[in-house]
Amino acid sequence: AQSVTQLGSHVSVSEGALVLLRCNYSSSVPPYLFWYVQYPNQGLQLLLKYTTGATLVKGINGFEAEFKKSETSFHLTKPSAHMSDAAEYFCAVINTGGFKTIFGAGTRLFVKA
Amino acid sequence: DAGVIQSPRHEVTEMGQEVTLRCKPISGHDYLFWYRQTMMRGLELLIYFNNNVPIDDSGMPEDRFSAKMPNASFSTLKIQPSEPRDSAVYFCASSPPGVQAFFGQGTRLTVV
Repeated sequence: AQSVTQLGSHVSVSEGALVLLRCNYSSSVPPYLFWYVQYPNQGLQLLLKYTTGATLVKGINGFEAEFKKSETSFHLTKPSAHMSDAAEYFCAVINTGGFKTIFGAGTRLFVKA
Repeated sequence: DAGVIQSPRHEVTEMGQEVTLRCKPISGHDYLFWYRQTMMRGLELLIYFNNNVPIDDSGMPEDRFSAKMPNASFSTLKIQPSEPRDSAVYFCASSPPGVQAFFGQGTRLTVV
């Protein structure tokens, strides 16, 4: 069965600093991997996704993530944090058969001025 | 397309009352999901449908919860009777197969 582990329920960075949100997954088959962002009182919005092909994927708002099969990781990064990046971020995997999305517990990102 | 539409956005009800949450998925999406989000338990998948048929309802917490999808453009999640511990944000999402889920804005339910 697929599962997703996000390391750190809260991450705090200074404005302009590197953002690194960690995600590890388990899957018995090649996964589809996603990062979603949730702003306060909003639904989840797709940031980026990996399905096949290039392992470094770029998303909206300057975020990117790299699929590393050997490490079963899909960490999310952004070179320079902005105050508007403060939100909750969810890593997710689609299970075998490709129908049901399994979410991690989420990481809340705080950005300090 | 307007995206996944949920109603109401906020619902406050008294314990014991029936609550019905509504969802209109994106046209053409074969899959519809209902999630519940709480601080304690995070995002939980309650049930999902494929072509209007319930496929997996193992996440539905109790018999008080029921969901229907009478047609491709409408689904409901009903709680009867409601309890304070049902207070949460309920999300509906839809997707084509093997693609990311598209989420609605959610319904914030408060049971007092």
